[in-house]
Amino acid sequence: DTGVSQNPRHKITKRGQNVTFRCDPISEHNRLYWYRQTLGQGPEFLTYFQNEAQLEKSRLLSDRFSAERPKGSFSTLEIQRTEQGDSAMYLCASSLVSGFTDTQYFGPGTRLTVL
Amino acid sequence: AQSVTQLGSHVSVSEGALVLLRCNYSSSVPPYLFWYVQYPNQGLQLLLKYTSAATLVKGINGFEAEFKKSETSFHLTKPSAHMSDAAEYFCAVSFGGATNKLIFGTGTLLAVQP
Repeated sequence: DTGVSQNPRHKITKRGQNVTFRCDPISEHNRLYWYRQTLGQGPEFLTYFQNEAQLEKSRLLSDRFSAERPKGSFSTLEIQRTEQGDSAMYLCASSLVSGFTDTQYFGPGTRLTVL
Repeated sequence: AQSVTQLGSHVSVSEGALVLLRCNYSSSVPPYLFWYVQYPNQGLQLLLKYTSAATLVKGINGFEAEFKKSETSFHLTKPSAHMSDAAEYFCAVSFGGATNKLIFGTGTLLAVQP
């Protein structure tokens, strides 16, 4: 049973550049979440998908951020015109909704450094 | 507003000693509660979860937590610390339903001294 995978694991970019991260969830998981974790803080929710539908976006997700899950499998998170404040660990989690709650399984994260 | 508070950003124990990591939540509705562990430069691993069944929840690696509604707490314990327990621990809540997003505390970094 493979877990959640994320690529790349590390990304260093210059301010103003665009970056894209990929998340491959556990197969057959119908939900996929994105979180952002800054140094010394807990992860903060960004957005989530139920199959291919993006159902909620946090106000943390500015217009420069866009996420997709085109076929209900892998997901991408793109940040346009990166800023130094975007430097963080971006975590992806997947789950299989059963009943009223779910258990989220996290990937290793993508650490973004904006110079 | 719904929130999670973890008292003590750093906790240090001796190997073999009791581990107690504190978590309190604020919510007007019954929550689901989780503890995750994060090792350096890694993602989060689920330790245990409370989903309104038994109030004492046993997890992996010898950890357990007790849900106390009257105290709005979900403290994590382990009877005897091991060096491999050194990591950061996050308490989180969710409320089910449409989103089920997790709301995390700020974490507690556990150090285990030989």
